[in-house]
Amino acid sequence: SQQGEEDPQALSIQEGENATMNCSYKTSINNLQWYRQNSGRGLVHLILIRSNEREKHSGRLRVTLDTSKKSSSLLITASRAADTASYFCATDHDSGNTPLVFGKGTRLSVIA
Amino acid sequence: DSGVTQTPKHLITATGQRVTLRCSPRSGDLSVYWYQQSLDQGLQFLIQYYNGEERAKGNILERFSAQQFPDLHSELNLSSLELGDSALYFCASSVAQGIGTGELFFGEGSRLTVL
Repeated sequence: SQQGEEDPQALSIQEGENATMNCSYKTSINNLQWYRQNSGRGLVHLILIRSNEREKHSGRLRVTLDTSKKSSSLLITASRAADTASYFCATDHDSGNTPLVFGKGTRLSVIA
Repeated sequence: DSGVTQTPKHLITATGQRVTLRCSPRSGDLSVYWYQQSLDQGLQFLIQYYNGEERAKGNILERFSAQQFPDLHSELNLSSLELGDSALYFCASSVAQGIGTGELFFGEGSRLTVL
C-alpha cells in the first residue's frame, strides 16, 4: 500500500508545549501535504512540501521532509487548546495519475 | 469556508436502499475527488473527475458510481447499501488534473448512517 503512516496515533500535551507528529511513506513522491481535521468536520490544508524541499514553515508550523528516509514531520510550536484536532499527512506519489493518499492520522489533544 | 458544498450533511437510511450525495466544487476548480472516511479504514480515495471525465479510480465498490456534470458539480451514488457503508463521505476539489496534485479543498462531508 502507498498509504502513509502517522506516528504516534494519539498525542496528549499541555498548552504551550510543542507537538511533533511523524509520517512515513513507501514510494517516491511529488509532494507531501499535511491536513488538519476537527472532529467530524472537513479536512483543512495546512502546508505542502515538495520533494526537492527539506523544510518549510508556516506560522507556528514547521514541516521537514527526508526523502532518503521517506519520512516527514510536523512540528506545532507553543500549542494551544484550539490546536486539538486530527492531523493527516497526504502523499502525492510519483507513479502516474494517482491522487493524494492519506494516512490514518494523529489525534492531538492539547490540554489547557 | 472552503468553498466546496456538500449535501446532504446527514443521511439515515436502511440497508438495501440507494442514496445520492451531491458536491459543488470551488469556483474555477475542475477536479473533484470523493473520499470515504470510516473509523477503521481512515480516509480512502474513491474516485476523481476532471472536467467531466473520470481521471482516477480508487477503492470504489461496484455498488457505487459517480459522475461530474457540465456545470462541474458531482454526484456520488451509493446503492444496495450495507451496514458497512456507514461513513463520512467527503468531496474535495482542486485546480489540478491529478498528476502532481496540489492542495485539496474539502467540503464538510455527508454523514451516512445505514440501519
